[in-house]
Amino acid sequence: GQNIDQPTEMTATEGAIVQINCTYQTSGFNGLFWYQQHAGEAPTFLSYNVLDGLEEKGRFSSFLSRSKGYSYLLLKELQMKDSASYLCAPGRGGYNKLIFGAGTRLAVHP
Amino acid sequence: SQTIHQWPATLVQPVGSPLSLECTVEGTSNPNLYWYRQAAGRGLQLLFYSVGIGQISSEVPQNLSASRPQDRQFILSSKKLLLSDSGFYLCAWSNGQDNSPLHFGNGTRLTVT
Repeated sequence: GQNIDQPTEMTATEGAIVQINCTYQTSGFNGLFWYQQHAGEAPTFLSYNVLDGLEEKGRFSSFLSRSKGYSYLLLKELQMKDSASYLCAPGRGGYNKLIFGAGTRLAVHP
Repeated sequence: SQTIHQWPATLVQPVGSPLSLECTVEGTSNPNLYWYRQAAGRGLQLLFYSVGIGQISSEVPQNLSASRPQDRQFILSSKKLLLSDSGFYLCAWSNGQDNSPLHFGNGTRLTVT
């Protein structure tokens, strides 16, 4: 079956660094996506990892370990606008069928 | 560039009434299309996906159906809504490659009363 585990909530201070962890179990794994979702809005794509290692994209970086079924999203120089839910989504099988976790709600405070 | 349109933005429907949500994509051809639902405080649940006109795959058996009458049009329907159908419905598209992200529409917030 499929299972995705992320912390439910996190808080952090503006300007700080935060790491959001995700563990997953899924059949036919073909890469892992991270999305950002502000309250009441649709998710927007942040990053994609298919090989082990770190992918850096500006203030956001994402890491994947396929053998451990583990990923994390690293957010640097936090801004108030980063307050949102962050969704870990492993892809499975063909056709880009993404399975989403419940997400981690991040609150950034001054 | 590609854009995805989804309507309506909000909908309040009584139990037992029909439902039709529409999604269209512009700027790409032969996209993969998806319907997801997000219940309050929950993750996104994949309902249907389509890789071509008339080709629909259902992920979870339920009170809903989907159709793809044209290449870039995806419709979610129900003949009789249930209270449990309330949620945030999201249409998405991708180009079908493994490394291609899903791009979501703005969503429809459905409340069944």
